[in-house]
Formats: sequence, C-alpha cells, structure tokens
Amino acid sequence: AQSVTQLGSHVSVSEGALVLLRCNYSSSVPPYLFWYVQYPNQGLQLLLKYTTGATLVKGINGFEAEFKKSETSFHLTKPSAHMSDAAEYFCAVTHSGGYQKVTFGIGTKLQVIP
Amino acid sequence: DAGVTQSPTHLIKTRGQHVTLRCSPISGHKSVSWYQQVLGQGPQFIFQYYEKEERGRGNFPDRFSARQFPNYSSELNVNALLLGDSALYLCASSPMDSSQPQHFGDGTRLSIL
Repeated sequence: AQSVTQLGSHVSVSEGALVLLRCNYSSSVPPYLFWYVQYPNQGLQLLLKYTTGATLVKGINGFEAEFKKSETSFHLTKPSAHMSDAAEYFCAVTHSGGYQKVTFGIGTKLQVIP
Repeated sequence: DAGVTQSPTHLIKTRGQHVTLRCSPISGHKSVSWYQQVLGQGPQFIFQYYEKEERGRGNFPDRFSARQFPNYSSELNVNALLLGDSALYLCASSPMDSSQPQHFGDGTRLSIL
C-alpha cells in the first residue's frame, strides 16, 4: 500500500521568499516520488522525480526536492518565489513493479503575494 | 512532438446518460492511465492499460470501463452517470517502466446536470 500526505492545502509566500511545500509518503517498498504542478484548466506538468541515486533532485523552474528516507519525506523547495509559481502542486508516489498505479496527494495551492 | 491529447475538452451530460472520453498518448508510449480529479482534490487512479490489457484498476464502480486500441489510444466509458461523476478526467501516458514519469493531457471537464 502507498499513500501521500501534503501538509497545508494552501500556502502563501511573498515574491522573492523561500517556497517550502511539504510531502510525506508511505510505501511498503522503495518508492518513486514525483512533484507535479497544475495551472488552472490544465493537466499536470512534471517538476521533478526521485527514483534512485542522489537524494537531492533538481527540477524545472528552479525547484528542487530532497528524499529523506528516515523521515519519509520529499519536500519541495525554491529559494525565491516568482509570481508565475502561483499554481497547485501535487506530490505523488509509485514504485517499481508490474504496473504504474500512482497515488497523488490532495495538492497544495501556492499563492505568491507581490 | 505532440503531447497527450484528450477529447472532448468539455462535456455536459445529464444523470443516467453515458459518456465516452478519448485519449491519444505520446508517440512511442504504450501505457495509458486514467485519473479522476474532483474539484479541490488530487487525481484518483481509475485504470492503467498496457499493450491493450488492463494492468491496474482503482476503487471505482463497474460503471467505469476502458479499453486500449492497437495504436495505443484509449477510451474511458462511464455509464449511468451520477452527479458525483462531475470532475476533470485526466489521461496520462508513459513507457511501461514506472520509474519514468507519466505525461498528462489537459483533461476532459465533465459536468453532470
């Protein structure tokens, strides 16, 4: 079984401030972890992924995330928020196996205040 | 290269009707998955198909069915529509290897009156 918990359904930051979106996962096997972004009336766009190897992964638009097995966490960060970062962000988990059931969190809506 | 395409983009139906949603995957992708995203929630897994066979099914009633065609495109069918079926239906394609991320279409917005 696998699950994702995103703490904070809404997060507000000032433009230029640090962005921190929290994600904790549960998985009975080594997980594959993803962060996706969704803009209004659009599908999901991949920001970054962790499968194996380096635990600090860098993605598009200046985002990065660190896989911490001991804390079962995969938090998303960006040093300086831009207005264009306002969107909804989803953390997702799956694992190596016969098929690709991906479990998503409920999402965190990021507001960037000018 | 074209991304995942879904049709139609919007659809309005009434209770009890049925609906067919269509998805064309990225060229070379053999796996297609369907998700339901209710307003304010994350996507919920409905089905995954690979090589025309169902490989996974989420916790949805039998009113939901799908199939994949030889060209890897897919249809999602929902019968006896309920108000609660109103949602954004997302299709995603990928290579079968689950370490590769899924690529999503922009979805079909289904409204049930």
